[in-house]
Amino acid sequence: QSALTQPPSASGSHGQSVTVSCTGTSSDVGAYDFVSWYQQHPGTAPKLILYEVNKRPSGVPARFSGSKSDNTASLTVSGLQAADEADYYCSSYAGNNKYVFGGGTKVTVL
Amino acid sequence: EFQLVESGGGLVQPGGSLRLSCSASGFTFSRYGLHWVRQAPGKGLEYVSAISNDGGITYYADSVKGRFTISRDNSKDTLYLQMSSLRDDDTAIYYCVGDAFDIWGQGTMVTVSS
Repeated sequence: QSALTQPPSASGSHGQSVTVSCTGTSSDVGAYDFVSWYQQHPGTAPKLILYEVNKRPSGVPARFSGSKSDNTASLTVSGLQAADEADYYCSSYAGNNKYVFGGGTKVTVL
Repeated sequence: EFQLVESGGGLVQPGGSLRLSCSASGFTFSRYGLHWVRQAPGKGLEYVSAISNDGGITYYADSVKGRFTISRDNSKDTLYLQMSSLRDDDTAIYYCVGDAFDIWGQGTMVTVSS
């Protein structure tokens, strides 16, 4: 069982938006603004797409955005494209040099 | 170009040992902490271990504490994960990850099976 809870799947039509939630506790997501999101295509390593809740690394499109409220963080992908179909994972710092991950969400572009 | 390349994975029997290596290039290795993250077949990501830039601070997930040892050789730009008393549920791809989780290696597969 993963420390952070994500829905197993989410979907959206091409060009529309999809939002993925990531629920933790007051000891991780709720305590720190160190929530990150990763995109993983089959057979490849995860790729960082958001860090510190809503910051995008260089090269990540602005279509990817993040937010956080209390113990729940969210990833929104706008203007869905076929290439966005992937598994998405959240992670959070949990104190004492510990990080925790969510179980992952498979995003399907309809 | 920042790069992390893992090696050392393979098939090992339950109770056996294995040492993973992660060779870094493209950045000043000794300035940054590093992590190991694993992914069992068809499953999600699991945080395994971490080490500070000088090796003075380490972290282990409860699932590997007492069995795995993380270390680094800054003179060789290399990170290690010594794994012992391996169990079936240690079977996974093991990723070497940069301090800010912005650099991931390609992963090395560890299979624990008799």
